[in-house]
Amino acid sequence: KAGVTQTPRYLIKTRGQQVTLSCSPISGHRSVSWYQQTPGQGLQFLFEYFSETQRNKGNFPGRFSGRQFSNSRSEMNVSTLELGDSALYLCASSLDLSSGGVGGDEQFFGPGTRLTVL
Amino acid sequence: AQSVSQHNHHVILSEAASLELGCNYSYGGTVNLFWYVQYPGQHLQLLLKYFSGDPLVKGIKGFEAEFIKSKFSFNLRKPSVQWSDTAEYFCAARRPEYGGATNKLIFGTGTLLAVQP
Repeated sequence: KAGVTQTPRYLIKTRGQQVTLSCSPISGHRSVSWYQQTPGQGLQFLFEYFSETQRNKGNFPGRFSGRQFSNSRSEMNVSTLELGDSALYLCASSLDLSSGGVGGDEQFFGPGTRLTVL
Repeated sequence: AQSVSQHNHHVILSEAASLELGCNYSYGGTVNLFWYVQYPGQHLQLLLKYFSGDPLVKGIKGFEAEFIKSKFSFNLRKPSVQWSDTAEYFCAARRPEYGGATNKLIFGTGTLLAVQP
């Protein structure tokens, strides 16, 4: 079974630009979460989606947004990039077995997208 | 604010030494706890998890962790480390939201373990 895939793996942008990152969850997984990993702040939760609905959101500015499609694939967008947005962006998917999705299942992480903002 | 603390930022051990990495979380009530590992150049992988029941949890590769509710701790242990255990280890907590649902994880800052052959 293929794992979580993220594209692109590496990205270089300049301040002020916007970027879209993509995540394909493991087949059958309905929940997708996004995290930002930096040396200074560690792993921080961005948001999570379940059945195309944002279920939870972290403490990030509105420049960070996301969405989930009917096939569970997810994208996150960062507008007006700042130098501090340079980070590894990780996507994780989980099965969410319970009807309605109560969470708590094991999350499988992708390799991440390394974003560098110049 | 909800938080997870890992007090050891860097640990250096010789092969066959015993390992204990500390993890504390800041909130009461129901909490699910996890240890993840990130080997150099690889994805985050789940080592073990605790939801309920036996507070001593066994995971992959000989790792185990003990949930001590009174101390808000979930320390990771391994009796004898190998060079291949060199990696970064992350403790994480999930707080099931009352009336809601979430997979949101709060991570500790990580512990970099270097095992010398």
